[in-house]
Amino acid sequence: EAQVTQNPRYLITVTGKKLTVTCSQNMNHEYMSWYRQDPGLGLRQIYYSMNVEVTDKGDVPEGYKVSRKEKRNFPLILESPSPNQTSLYFCASSLNYGPYEQYFGPGTRLTVT
Amino acid sequence: GNSVTQMEGPVTLSEEAFLTINCTYTATGYPSLFWYVQYPGEGLQLLLKATKADDKGSNKGFEATYRKETTSFHLEKGSVQVSDSAVYFCALNPVGGSNYKLTFGKGTLLTVNP
Repeated sequence: EAQVTQNPRYLITVTGKKLTVTCSQNMNHEYMSWYRQDPGLGLRQIYYSMNVEVTDKGDVPEGYKVSRKEKRNFPLILESPSPNQTSLYFCASSLNYGPYEQYFGPGTRLTVT
Repeated sequence: GNSVTQMEGPVTLSEEAFLTINCTYTATGYPSLFWYVQYPGEGLQLLLKATKADDKGSNKGFEATYRKETTSFHLEKGSVQVSDSAVYFCALNPVGGSNYKLTFGKGTLLTVNP
């Protein structure tokens, strides 16, 4: 089954404790993205990747890092999480950039206390 | 930069009512336009899309037409059902240039009552 998986689905952590949210897709997609969803702000792109070793900032990259060492995986790293990073996070992938739909993961709800 | 503006919700309708959710965009060139739907507790999924001017996307009774002259992509459905209750997002993918960011609207919550 074609899908995007994220782990963990739920995470509660404390300020400053480094964490990684994993994302994996099995569709051989070139383009992958991370988003955060916040009430009243909708969906905002954090980082995206056009292919292996090619990543770039989205609209809200501060406080996040990503890497793309393999085509299928695109982990999101919070080196020193802060409470304002409490949010619902989605990973997504698409065949390529342009007129292609994005396939979304189920989401990761992160709470930073 | 690129932007998407959706009508603010929440929108509450009775079953079988007509639905319109407005979406306008700002972008250079001819972006691809999308509507995504998010059911409670789930990720987003594609509802429909259009990739050039005057294209009409349609799916599950929903329709939207790519209007270049008014930079709009309004979502419509003739008769909504309770199962259509969800959050709807308008989105655009720029085409050309060096901008590979994707832009979403803030989402519109639709509640359909029996």
